[in-house]
Order: sequence, then structure tokens, then C-alpha cells
Amino acid sequence: DTAVSQTPKYLVTQMGNDKSIKCEQNLGHDTMYWYKQDSKKFLKIMFSYNNKELIINETVPNRFSPKSPDKAHLNLHINSLELGDSAVYFCASSQGPGPLYEQYFGPGTRLTVT
Amino acid sequence: AQTVTQSQPEMSVQEAETVTLSCTYDTSESDYYLFWYKQPPSRQMILVIRQEAYKQQNATENRFSVNFQKAAKSFSLKISDSQLGDAAMYFCAYSRGGSQGNLIFGKGTKLSVKP
Repeated sequence: DTAVSQTPKYLVTQMGNDKSIKCEQNLGHDTMYWYKQDSKKFLKIMFSYNNKELIINETVPNRFSPKSPDKAHLNLHINSLELGDSAVYFCASSQGPGPLYEQYFGPGTRLTVT
Repeated sequence: AQTVTQSQPEMSVQEAETVTLSCTYDTSESDYYLFWYKQPPSRQMILVIRQEAYKQQNATENRFSVNFQKAAKSFSLKISDSQLGDAAMYFCAYSRGGSQGNLIFGKGTKLSVKP
């Protein structure tokens, strides 16, 4: 059983399109995250949700909108895709917010914008 | 602002030998946590070890141990008896304490293990 799963694993699309990445966790965790890893492997948090409420929102363009329909899911929707959005996007979850709780990462979604 | 610096973009170690990966951080917080994550070629991020700043004792997990020098703001990872499966990107990360604390990562060190 995969603890944190993401779909799709690979996504190739053209500039200007709108796309979504889905994330699901079956660990019963309350907190979920989205991270972006750029081409130089630099990993940075984008959003964090706790019990379906947004608690961390780093400086991310408005074109990125997370949605949490329930505690087990955190989807990432991206409007008007740009070349610079090409990256690997990781979803993660933890029992609660903050560093006391270990974060479990999904396998990542490699987004390529052409 | 908190920052995490990994000064070694790449490191190499012979199988069964010991290697140390460096990490320094900058913070004015007193309550914080430090982490080492491993990212193998499969891309999966895996927590290797965690250190609470208030604990003086260095954390250890089997072959992995840290040297936490709080005054120097240094947090190095020592891998003993290196194995081929240890080959990966290693990321040092910082988080301030509290529910708003989020992980701030260094740029990573790529570790190669030679047979």
C-alpha cells in the first residue's frame, strides 16, 4: 500500500494550459504539503494544509491553487502554465503541523512545460 | 530569515568507508529542529535523521549519526560503513519549532559510493 501517492507521475503540457496534480495519503494524517523541486534540485515548500485549512502559503504565484476536499487529499491546480513551472512537485503528509511530526513524501510529479 | 547551506555539491566515498556531509544554518530562533533527508534516484524523499536543538546529545540512527554544534550552527551527517544503497542526494533541512514551522532545505549534496 502506497502511503502518499501522486497522479500523474509525469506531465508534459504546453505553455498557457491549465493542469492539476492529485495527491492522496492513506496514513490518516491531518496535515498535507506541496513542495516544488527545481532543475537544480532545490526543494521549497509551497503550501501546507491542516485539517483542510491552509496554514502555510509561501510566496507562490496566484496561478497555483491548492484544494483540499478532505483530509486525505490535497490537489494542486496550476493555471496558465509557464516554462518556469517545469519542476518536480512533491506532496507530503504528516500527523500534525510543525517539525514534531515526520513528513512522508510522495514519489513526485515531474511537470514539463513546453 | 533562516538559511541552510550545504557547501559540498558532490561527495564520493568508498564502500565500507565513512563519509561526513557538511551543513550550516543561520537562525535567531531558540526552538528549532534540524533534519537530514535522503533522495535516491527514485526521487522519494526519505527522512534519515532528526535533531532537536534543545537536545545536547547527537542523534544517531544505525549507521547514520550527526555532529550538532549549536554555537557554530553546524549540523553534519556522518555515514559509517557506507553501502552502495547510500548513493543519493542528501538534503539538510531546518524548521523552527511550533505548528507554523516548515522545512527549509539546503541545496543538497550528491553522494556517490564506489564499490
